[in-house]
Amino acid sequence: DAKTTQPNSMESNEEEPVHLPCNHSTISGTDYIHWYRQLPSQGPEYVIHGLTSNVNNRMASLAIAEDRKSSTLILHRATLRDAAVYYCILGLSGSARQLTFGSGTQLTVLP
Amino acid sequence: GAGVSQSPSNKVTEKGKDVELRCDPISGHTALYWYRQSLGQGLEFLIYFQGNSAPDKSGLPSDRFSAERTGGSVSTLTIQRTQQEDSAVYLCASSPPGSGLEQFFGPGTRLTVL
Repeated sequence: DAKTTQPNSMESNEEEPVHLPCNHSTISGTDYIHWYRQLPSQGPEYVIHGLTSNVNNRMASLAIAEDRKSSTLILHRATLRDAAVYYCILGLSGSARQLTFGSGTQLTVLP
Repeated sequence: GAGVSQSPSNKVTEKGKDVELRCDPISGHTALYWYRQSLGQGLEFLIYFQGNSAPDKSGLPSDRFSAERTGGSVSTLTIQRTQQEDSAVYLCASSPPGSGLEQFFGPGTRLTVL
C-alpha cells in the first residue's frame, strides 16, 4: 500500500480554520484519498474522500494537489469537538478492504 | 437513520471464559468488518464479510477467535478461552455496496479480561 505521512500533532484556535496536511508521494493513479478521525474514546468516523478534484461536504473540505502527491483536509471553523486524531489513508474506493491507520495527526483545539 | 450498533458496550470477563460480541450493521450495508484497538494503538483488522461471499479471516489472531454473520446482517464475534492480551476495544464497521473505504463504525465493545 502507498504510504502517507502526516505531522504528529497540530494546534488550532477555536473558530479558526485548520489545514491538516498529508503527503502521499507514491500514490497510484487509482488510489482515492480518504480521511477519518477518531475522537477520544470513540470509534473512527469517516470524514471525506476524493480522487482528483477538491471535495466539500458538511464536515470538511479536501484539497488535492494537482500532482496528487499531497492533500489537505480543511476544517473551516474548528470547534472544541473537532479535537481528535485525524488519519489520511489511500485506497480503492469501490473495492472493500480493511482500513489501516498510520499514526495520524493529533489536533488540539484551544478555546 | 440508525447507525452501527454494538453490544455490550463493556464486558469484563475472567481469563479462560468465552465471550460473544454483537454487531448490528446499518441496514442495506453489504460489507461488515471487525477490528480491535488496544489502548493508544492503531486499528487491527480481524475479519471481513461481504454479502454471501466467504469471509476474509486473515486478521484473526488465533483459532480462539471466530465470527459469523447471519442472514447478511447481524454479526457475532466469539472469543474462546479469553486471555489477558485479548483486552481491547472491539470495533465493528459496515459499508454500503460499492463503497470500500467509506466505513461506518459502531461505538465499540470494551473487553477487559481479568
